[in-house]
Amino acid sequence: SQQGEEDPQALSIQEGENATMNCSYKTSINNLQWYRQNSGRGLVHLILIRSNEREKHSGRLRVTLDTSKKSSSLLITASRAADTASYFCATEQGNNDMRFGAGTRLTVKP
Amino acid sequence: GAGVSQSPSNKVTEKGKDVELRCDPISGHTALYWYRQSLGQGLEFLIYFQGNSAPDKSGLPSDRFSAERTGGSVSTLTIQRTQQEDSAVYLCASSFDRGPQNIQYFGAGTRLSVL
Repeated sequence: SQQGEEDPQALSIQEGENATMNCSYKTSINNLQWYRQNSGRGLVHLILIRSNEREKHSGRLRVTLDTSKKSSSLLITASRAADTASYFCATEQGNNDMRFGAGTRLTVKP
Repeated sequence: GAGVSQSPSNKVTEKGKDVELRCDPISGHTALYWYRQSLGQGLEFLIYFQGNSAPDKSGLPSDRFSAERTGGSVSTLTIQRTQQEDSAVYLCASSFDRGPQNIQYFGAGTRLSVL
């Protein structure tokens, strides 16, 4: 069964704008990860945030985690057409299982 | 070094036939996972191997699905008597360990079409 639920399901923005995707989950977690998937390819790990962290940055990516609300957000700043992909959150639970959400399909128009 | 390799990249089969999907993980990775991804959907966990431990088969949808990992390296996912609802992309991933903060490295997947 899936653990994380992303929203929105789809997001379309113009190049240069920021993109925000959200992930909610139901059970306690060890960490939360975000992955990216280009069409027809496998997933690529972007960033990991531990359960005791609240915010993490990597380049143009900013991830927040609110364990009290069981939610996370991924912000991509100054988006580029090459950022077009599907983005998945994955939660690692207490028993070390990892569960993926259904993803957000991001389209960045040039 | 090479990433996770899956073969074939595409497989078209007739309903009722058996299929075998192969995954070659990154050398040295002890953990190997199989997932299924239906069109436009997220990843559905199927099975997990860790070293020589018994695999976690909790995600296999039916007894038509099985997987093995020989020598702690290459894995084969077998689907017997395929059904149209088995059509999906089957993704394999490997990681150093299944411990906390493990990062999974994915192959490009096998797209299975059951006619």
